[in-house]
Amino acid sequence: AAGVIQSPRHLIKEKRETATLKCYPIPRHDTVYWYQQGPGQDPQFLISFYEKMQSDKGSIPDRFSAQQFSDYHSELNMSSLELGDSALYFCASRPLSRVTQYFGPGTRLTVL
Amino acid sequence: DQQVKQNSPSLSVQEGRISILNCDYTNSMFDYFLWYKKYPAEGPTFLISISSIKDKNEDGRFTVFLNKSAKHLSLHIVPSQPGDSAVYFCAARRGGSEKLVFGKGTKLTVNP
Repeated sequence: AAGVIQSPRHLIKEKRETATLKCYPIPRHDTVYWYQQGPGQDPQFLISFYEKMQSDKGSIPDRFSAQQFSDYHSELNMSSLELGDSALYFCASRPLSRVTQYFGPGTRLTVL
Repeated sequence: DQQVKQNSPSLSVQEGRISILNCDYTNSMFDYFLWYKKYPAEGPTFLISISSIKDKNEDGRFTVFLNKSAKHLSLHIVPSQPGDSAVYFCAARRGGSEKLVFGKGTKLTVNP
C-alpha cells in the first residue's frame, strides 16, 4: 500500500540558512499534518491543511511557514534556522472520512 | 503541561507473555485515542484506536481498553513477539481539533 512520502530524508544546514521539506500524502488523503520531534521527545503538532487551507495551528515558530498545493502535497519552509530546530520532522495524512493519521518516515534536520 | 502521560519509559517482557502499556490523560475533551508503534529512523506506524464512546477495541493480538472515569487507557499485546520491540506512543485528539497530542512513549522490549 502507498505510504506518505517525505523528502529529503536527511538534511544538514548551517545556522541562519533556510530549508524546505516536502510531503506527498497517501493518494486520496486530503488532509496533511506536520509534526516536530526533538531528541527524546514526543511529536509536537506544528500545522495542518485541508483542501489547501490551513485547518489548525500548533506551536509553529513564525520563522516557519507551510502550504498545501493543488495536488495535495505540502511543503514546510523554515528560515533563519537555529540549532534548536534540529529534529525529526514528520508529515502525516488522513482522508476526510477517518480520524487516523498516517505518518511518513520523517526528515531528519540537523542544523550546525 | 503534559496532557497525555506514559509514566513507564520502558517495559521488558518475555516472548509469548502479555505486554500491557499504560496511558493517562488529563483533558476530558479528548474524544479519540490512538496507539502508534515507532522503530528507530522510521515514522510512527498506526496500530489501533478507540473512540471515547467505547471501552474496548480489539484487532488481532492488540486490544485497547479505555476507562473514561479514570482517564486511563491501556494497550494489551498478546502474545508478545520479539518483533513487537519498539517505542509505543499513546496519542489523543480533542473533538473539533485536528492535532494529535502524544505521550512521551514507552520502549517495549520483548525478549526471546
